[in-house]
Amino acid sequence: DIQMTQSPSSLSASVGDRVTITCRASQGITNELAWFQQKPGKAPKSLMYTASSLQSGVPSRFSGSGSGTYFTLTINSLQPEDFATYYCHQYHGYPYSFGQGTTLEIK
Amino acid sequence: QVQLVESGGGVVQPGRSLRLSCAASGFTFSTYHMHWVRQAPGKGLEWMVVISSDGTNKFYADSVKGRFTISRDNSRNMLFLQMNSLRAEDTAVYYCARDYKEPLDSWGQGTLVIVST
Repeated sequence: DIQMTQSPSSLSASVGDRVTITCRASQGITNELAWFQQKPGKAPKSLMYTASSLQSGVPSRFSGSGSGTYFTLTINSLQPEDFATYYCHQYHGYPYSFGQGTTLEIK
Repeated sequence: QVQLVESGGGVVQPGRSLRLSCAASGFTFSTYHMHWVRQAPGKGLEWMVVISSDGTNKFYADSVKGRFTISRDNSRNMLFLQMNSLRAEDTAVYYCARDYKEPLDSWGQGTLVIVST
């Protein structure tokens, strides 16, 4: 099974900051990596797929990169609505798996 | 617009069964693979199971294999999860999500299952 490891587990930042979250896969997953945003009490929302393709409607301040085993999600110029928990997700092979999540908090 | 609405959650005793449903609308349900993902209180997301668009192929996580069964009715745009032999650790919000060219691009609002005496 493919294990996904995110870092950091939590992150404090201010509005306007740039932050980067990393996600490592235990084996190569090509670019079959998605990112999700989840706010308290809400369902996850898809942000990105194939490592770097933005879902429709997602602001361009979100960007993703990586392939193989190492991936990053970068948020430029943080906005108040960006404070949430972020999950990476591999869909290279079953069983699918998620990272443990990164909680982005307001400093 | 795309809508996925889960139902069937509730409080159930350990060892008992529960059947979750997911009603789909706003898209061609029969062309999408469908997944169940769960989230225990205060925890992360756990992928559980997928069913192919025509219902012929299914893949389960080890944590639910042999206890949970996924099915679908494309004529009614419905997805189901039959959960047997429930355990305390199955307590979670259960989400259905669709999958086609973009993985898990739409999710339902979730239904809460509490396994407790």
